[in-house]
Amino acid sequence: AQKVTQAQTEISVVEKEDVTLDCVYETRDTTYYLFWYKQPPSGELVFLIRRNSFDEQNEISGRYSWNFQKSTSSFNFTITASQVVDSAVYFCALSKGGGSQGNLIFGKGTKLSVKP
Amino acid sequence: NAGVTQTPKFQVLKTGQSMTLQCAQDMNHEYMSWYRQDPGMGLRLIHYSVGAGITDQGEVPNGYNVSRSTTEDFPLRLLSAAPSQTSVYFCASSYNTRGEQYFGPGTRLTVT
Repeated sequence: AQKVTQAQTEISVVEKEDVTLDCVYETRDTTYYLFWYKQPPSGELVFLIRRNSFDEQNEISGRYSWNFQKSTSSFNFTITASQVVDSAVYFCALSKGGGSQGNLIFGKGTKLSVKP
Repeated sequence: NAGVTQTPKFQVLKTGQSMTLQCAQDMNHEYMSWYRQDPGMGLRLIHYSVGAGITDQGEVPNGYNVSRSTTEDFPLRLLSAAPSQTSVYFCASSYNTRGEQYFGPGTRLTVT
C-alpha cells in the first residue's frame, strides 16, 4: 500500500529562519512520482515540484530546495530565509504515475506559520 | 487559458438534496480527478477519469457519481447529500497520469 507521512502537523518560525518540512513515503513500486503542493490561506493548491523515482538529484529553486533520498524514503522540503508569504499548508504527495495509477496520495499536510 | 475552473464556489444544501459540482479545464488534459479536503485529513480521491468516456472510483466514492462526456468537463454529482459530505471539493487535471496535477479553486460545500 502507498502512504505519505508528514509528521509535523504545525511549525512556527520567525521570518528569515530556515525551515525544513519532512515527508516520508511508502511504496513497493520502483517507478513513482513525488510532489509538493502549497495551500496558502486563500485556499488554492499550488504545484511546487515533481520528482520521479529515478532522479535523486536535489533541486533548488530560489529560496526553496528539495532533498530526495530513496534510501530513507524521504522527500524533504527546505525554505531558506523564510518570509511571511511562505505561511501556508504544505502537502507532500505520491503517485504511481502509470495508466490509471496516476492518482495522488496526499500526506495530511504541515501548516507553516512565519511570524514577522 | 483559464486553467481549471469550478462552480459554484460555495454551496449550502439540506440533507437529501442533490446537486452537481461543475469542473472544466481548457488545457486539453486527458486526466481529471475530484478530491475532497477535510480538516486534518489531507486530500482524498473521490473519482477520476483518464479520458472522455472513462471513469473510475477513488478512495472515497460512496455518495458521488461522475461522468466524462467531453475532454473539458468532469462534473461531480451528489446523489442525496449527507452532513458527512460537508467538505471542500477540488477538481484537478493533468496532461497525463505522470504529470503534475493542476487544481481548481475549490467548492466549499455545507450540508445541514
